[in-house]
Amino acid sequence: RKEVEQDPGPFNVPEGATVAFNCTYSNSASQSFFWYRQDCRKEPKLLMSVYSSGNEDGRFTAQLNRASQYISLLIRDSKLSDSATYLCVVNGPVTDSWGKLQFGAGTQVVVTP
Amino acid sequence: DVKVTQSSRYLVKRTGEKVFLECVQDMDHENMFWYRQDPGLGLRLIYFSYDVKMKEKGDIPEGYSVSREKKERFSLILESASTNQTSMYLCASSRWNSYEQYFGPGTRLTVT
Repeated sequence: RKEVEQDPGPFNVPEGATVAFNCTYSNSASQSFFWYRQDCRKEPKLLMSVYSSGNEDGRFTAQLNRASQYISLLIRDSKLSDSATYLCVVNGPVTDSWGKLQFGAGTQVVVTP
Repeated sequence: DVKVTQSSRYLVKRTGEKVFLECVQDMDHENMFWYRQDPGLGLRLIYFSYDVKMKEKGDIPEGYSVSREKKERFSLILESASTNQTSMYLCASSRWNSYEQYFGPGTRLTVT
């Protein structure tokens, strides 16, 4: 079983619409959660951290549900430039060295005009 | 501006060749990582280094080795390249106490 699982998509979203997607993680002891964004043929870049209380960064909202072990990302008022693959990222097991991360395979979002 | 650079964007090698992939970061980060990224599998950690001359195996270290002689440089070595090592290789770095990783542009390696 993968440590971090995501729906690969693609999620086809009209410009201006809202899109939301989840990822599930298997390690109940995980403490740190992130969304990274990866544009086509580019490297991943940190989009936002995910806090227990949920957090917003402009049009992006991230939520954490510890009981069900999933995190979510919601994008409001989608822009063409939001088209990318969104990687769900969780810190490694407690026994791992600090700084190690587990990456999901990504959810592809395609925003259409 | 933070920067992680990788020695090549594209590389084509023959089966059995020794391959060196170099990564350099200019942020004075303690941690450096090598991943490979394959469709449907996401990023998988090959090796990790938290200090000069220190290394730890990641999830898929077989067939790879690493070298970190200087803080800013982390090299990935394929001792004898095989076709199943055809992949995108990504280097990343982070501060010792941070999970935020900064990635290089990647090297697409093809082994024929």
